[in-house]
Amino acid sequence: IAGITQAPTSQILAAGRRMTLRCTQDMRHNAMYWYRQDLGLGLRLIHYSNTAGTTGKGEVPDGYSVSRANTDDFPLTLASAVPSQTSVYFCASSEGTSHNEQFFGPGTRLTVL
Amino acid sequence: GQNIDQPTEMTATEGAIVQINCTYQTSGFNGLFWYQQHAGEAPTFLSYNVLDGLEEKGRFSSFLSRSKGYSYLLLKELQMKDSASYLCAVADSNYQLIWGAGTKLIIKP
Repeated sequence: IAGITQAPTSQILAAGRRMTLRCTQDMRHNAMYWYRQDLGLGLRLIHYSNTAGTTGKGEVPDGYSVSRANTDDFPLTLASAVPSQTSVYFCASSEGTSHNEQFFGPGTRLTVL
Repeated sequence: GQNIDQPTEMTATEGAIVQINCTYQTSGFNGLFWYQQHAGEAPTFLSYNVLDGLEEKGRFSSFLSRSKGYSYLLLKELQMKDSASYLCAVADSNYQLIWGAGTKLIIKP
C-alpha cells in the first residue's frame, strides 16, 4: 500500500441497504476525513478524526457514521442508504490538523437507486 | 455563513498564462490551499498560503490578500495536461477546510 486506498471503487446500492466504504492509509497520519463531491458543489466534509479513537461531525453528517479504531483505518457507514447519498466519496488524511496538506484517496463512486 | 467563490469555467490557449481567482468569507482564517483535480481523479495539493504575498513554485504561483479575502492561482506556459479543475479551499477557525466548487480550466491548442 502506498498512500491512501479506498474500496470499493464503485458501487450500485438499493435504497435502504447498509453500506460501508473502506479507507486505509499507510502514512501514519493522525487526521483523516471523509468528503462527498457532487457536481457544481465543493467538497463537503462528512466526518473527520483528528487522531485514533476520536471522531467529529462535519458539514453534512446526517445518515453517515464513522469509527477510528486505529491510525490506519477510517471506515464510513451508511446505515440505510437513500438516493440523495449518490455521490463520489473521497477519504483524505493529513499529518496534523493545522497547515498540513491533505492527501486524497482515489474515491468511491456510489449510486443509490 | 461561509462562502468560497471561484469562476465555474475558464478557457485558455496552450503556452499562455491564466489567472484563476478565489474570494472567500469564512469564520476565521488559517490558510488557503489550491488543489488540482483531473476528471475522474482525486484532488492533489498545489499550494498553501497563510501570509499575504506571492508564493512561486515552478510554473504555478499563488497569491493571497487576507484583507481583501482574495487569492489567485497563476499558471504560466500552459500545457495541455493542465486541463483540470482547480479547487480553492480555506482553513477556518477550527482548521477545517471549506471548499469552493472549483474552476474547470480548458486548454486549447
